[in-house]
Amino acid sequence: AQKVTQAQTEISVVEKEDVTLDCVYETRDTTYYLFWYKQPPSGELVFLIRRNSFDEQNEISGRYSWNFQKSTSSFNFTITASQVVDSAVYFCALSEARNYGQNFVFGPGTRLSVLP
Amino acid sequence: DVKVTQSSRYLVKRTGEKVFLECVQDMDHENMFWYRQDPGLGLRLIYFSYDVKMKEKGDIPEGYSVSREKKERFSLILESASTNQTSMYLCASRPLVEGRNEQFFGPGTRLTVL
Repeated sequence: AQKVTQAQTEISVVEKEDVTLDCVYETRDTTYYLFWYKQPPSGELVFLIRRNSFDEQNEISGRYSWNFQKSTSSFNFTITASQVVDSAVYFCALSEARNYGQNFVFGPGTRLSVLP
Repeated sequence: DVKVTQSSRYLVKRTGEKVFLECVQDMDHENMFWYRQDPGLGLRLIYFSYDVKMKEKGDIPEGYSVSREKKERFSLILESASTNQTSMYLCASRPLVEGRNEQFFGPGTRLTVL
């Protein structure tokens, strides 16, 4: 069965600090996809990144970076030089490739508060 | 950009009322989903549809039904609303393209049942 764990329920940092959000997943499939979503106070989930299981390259997008390590089943998300606008709930999600990956499993989310 | 819209941001209904939540996407996506989000429980899948008139139960379908008469529209129906259905409801869509299965979400409907 699929499972996503985000052990950090809430994190508070001061603006300009770096912060890493942890995500650990479980799946028996060899082909799967991992995602990060951001949910700001407005409520809409915003898609940030997709990574498939065959691509372990880390990715950087501006202040955001993602570290995918199959050996530890982790897909961690780092925000560099955090800003108040980064305050949100962040969800990690897993989708197995069968059935075109229709079934998503979301982690419980990590609430990030960036204080000015 | 993908656009998923939901008919209401906030809705207040009374116990026993029939409630319709509408979701429309403008990107010709095959798959559409309804989730509810509750504190401490995360996102839970209610129903999804992989094509017009096709639907599958998710993890918590009890008390809900859905309708997909047109590709762009996916409706969630609460036949007789109850207070335990007070929640945030999120609609999502995604294309049926292998390797590109991220879901795109609407803004959500916060439903309160009194």
